[in-house]
Amino acid sequence: DAGVIQSPRHEVTEMGQEVTLRCKPISGHDYLFWYRQTMMRGLELLIYFNNNVPIDDSGMPEDRFSAKMPNASFSTLKIQPSEPRDSAVYFCASRGLAGKGEQFFGPGTRLTVL
Amino acid sequence: AQKITQTQPGMFVQEKEAVTLDCTYDTSDQSYGLFWYKQPSSGEMIFLIYQGSYDEQNATEGRYSLNFQKARKSANLVISASQLGDSAMYFCAMRPPRGGRNQGGKLIFGQGTELSVKP
Repeated sequence: DAGVIQSPRHEVTEMGQEVTLRCKPISGHDYLFWYRQTMMRGLELLIYFNNNVPIDDSGMPEDRFSAKMPNASFSTLKIQPSEPRDSAVYFCASRGLAGKGEQFFGPGTRLTVL
Repeated sequence: AQKITQTQPGMFVQEKEAVTLDCTYDTSDQSYGLFWYKQPSSGEMIFLIYQGSYDEQNATEGRYSLNFQKARKSANLVISASQLGDSAMYFCAMRPPRGGRNQGGKLIFGQGTELSVKP
């Protein structure tokens, strides 16, 4: 079975540009999470969805960040406009109702904003 | 506030020896879950082991075991017979009780411990 798929794996952009990160969760999983990882702040939860509906977006840093989940197999995280301090690794994770509640992570997108 | 603390930024262990990675947590809740993840240099996050707050037995998964001491609020990861491939960052995480804004079981992560296994 395919795991969580993220694209692109690497993104380099210039300050002010729009960035869109994409995620395909594991088929059948009801929950989707977006995390950001930096050396300074560690792993932070940005937002999560249940059945395509955003449940908690309290971790979204500011209005420049937005996330959508138009269907059960696709989610996007958009940054507009991007700033150098947004440089980080962005992870998408998903989980289903079965199991112990563990989340399965994608490979991450390494974003560099120049 | 709920918090995970990993006090060891880096650890070294000799190949084939056992190593313990420390994790303490802070919560006033009675129901919660504790997780350990491994992040190798390639960057992916790999789930290792889970302990529920009501589980009476310490969790084990192959060479991984979780030393759960509820009264001390600690959930240390023990890796037995270390292998070179165990070199990675290890993260402890806590899932607060489900309900309200945490219906989905969001995780709170510690800062991680970097483990290096020496041949």
